[in-house]
Amino acid sequence: GAGVSQTPSNKVTEKGKYVELRCDPISGHTALYWYRQSLGQGPEFLIYFQGTGAADDSGLPNDRFFAVRPEGSVSTLKIQRTERGDSAVYLCASSSTGGFEAFFGQGTRLTVV
Amino acid sequence: AQSVTQPDIHITVSEGASLELRCNYSYGATPYLFWYVQSPGQGLQLLLKYFSGDTLVQGIKGFEAEFKRSQSSFNLRKPSVHWSDAAEYFCAVGAQEYGNKLVFGAGTILRVKS
Repeated sequence: GAGVSQTPSNKVTEKGKYVELRCDPISGHTALYWYRQSLGQGPEFLIYFQGTGAADDSGLPNDRFFAVRPEGSVSTLKIQRTERGDSAVYLCASSSTGGFEAFFGQGTRLTVV
Repeated sequence: AQSVTQPDIHITVSEGASLELRCNYSYGATPYLFWYVQSPGQGLQLLLKYFSGDTLVQGIKGFEAEFKRSQSSFNLRKPSVHWSDAAEYFCAVGAQEYGNKLVFGAGTILRVKS
């Protein structure tokens, strides 16, 4: 596609449930990033993939969060046992070089009730 | 620790007036600097970036920013604001020494009065 695509655009889930958020990067981009944006805050880094491997997962807040990118293209962010504090907009970005100039998707707004 | 400060949470300017949004950073390395804009319900769009060279950089939509190393600042400017510039603006910093992630400020919401 022309840009980074994230699905769903909105997700409402009950506390304790499992959710998956999908990111489809720009075709050919080898680097993929996940960020989380809480209300009134700037985006915070979660994880960075170069190809299929997670090159830096230092931003994942705890072991309930996990992300995969099995074929080096689409990535899925997985959150287990969701908590109300997980409510945020989850942003995905991709880059052709793995450098800092990344293109962002429109995000998935996750609401945990 | 790396940090980015945008001192102004909200700024209101009249259409046609000039604009300056402030950004200060704290980084122990040579930074790469960015300004992004986010309209409601939209993703982040890159306005401009500074990697090296000329400290005054031009971006899209008539925006420019100046890197001042001595002040650890990267302020965004526009000579004449349009109503369509109303959005939230984020300053971001990265450095290779800290990996490929960006650290963002908390954002400044720009309101434009007609």
